[in-house]
Amino acid sequence: KAGVTQTPRYLIKTRGQQVTLSCSPISGHRSVSWYQQTPGQGLQFLFEYFSETQRNKGNFPGRFSGRQFSNSRSEMNVSTLELGDSALYLCASSSQTSGGTDTQYFGPGTRLTVL
Amino acid sequence: GENVEQHPSTLSVQEGDSAVIKCTYSDSASNYFPWYKQELGKRPQLIIDIRSNVGEKKDQRIAVTLNKTAKHFSLHITETQPEDSAVYFCAAAGGGNKLTFGTGTQLKVEL
Repeated sequence: KAGVTQTPRYLIKTRGQQVTLSCSPISGHRSVSWYQQTPGQGLQFLFEYFSETQRNKGNFPGRFSGRQFSNSRSEMNVSTLELGDSALYLCASSSQTSGGTDTQYFGPGTRLTVL
Repeated sequence: GENVEQHPSTLSVQEGDSAVIKCTYSDSASNYFPWYKQELGKRPQLIIDIRSNVGEKKDQRIAVTLNKTAKHFSLHITETQPEDSAVYFCAAAGGGNKLTFGTGTQLKVEL
């Protein structure tokens, strides 16, 4: 099976702009989670989508949002970009065959730079 | 919410030696503990995971132990090789797919 893919791989934006990142999960996987990775804060959970519904949410401001489509592909959007939003944004997919926590497989990430 | 502490932040070992990385978690409801390896510029890759109904799990040179009472778990790598050099992250989750990560350990295996 093909792995998790993310597009674009690199983005450069300026403060105040908005950005949309895309994630395609492993075929058959229904859960997509998003994480932000920075040198200062490490890996932090943004949100999780399952069956087109947000199921979990981390402690990020409302400028960060996401959605999931019927084919399980997911997008996340960041509005009114700030310098501190510069980070590697990772998505992870899991099959969610159990009611608990399933193994998550990460995509290569999107490197966002805000100038 | 869950808090995961990871030590040490850096670890340097000689090739062939063992490496141990330790993590503690705060939420007693956590029941899933994965370990990820991240090489520079690459995605985190799962190397081993353990669930709370198991005390130890091995996969070739890698093992993870879990002490639910003390709320800590450890990664053990034996016979380290230069290709083991990377950043290792522990994580915890308590139902659902929200992983709380430790701060990472930079492992360097020296020849």
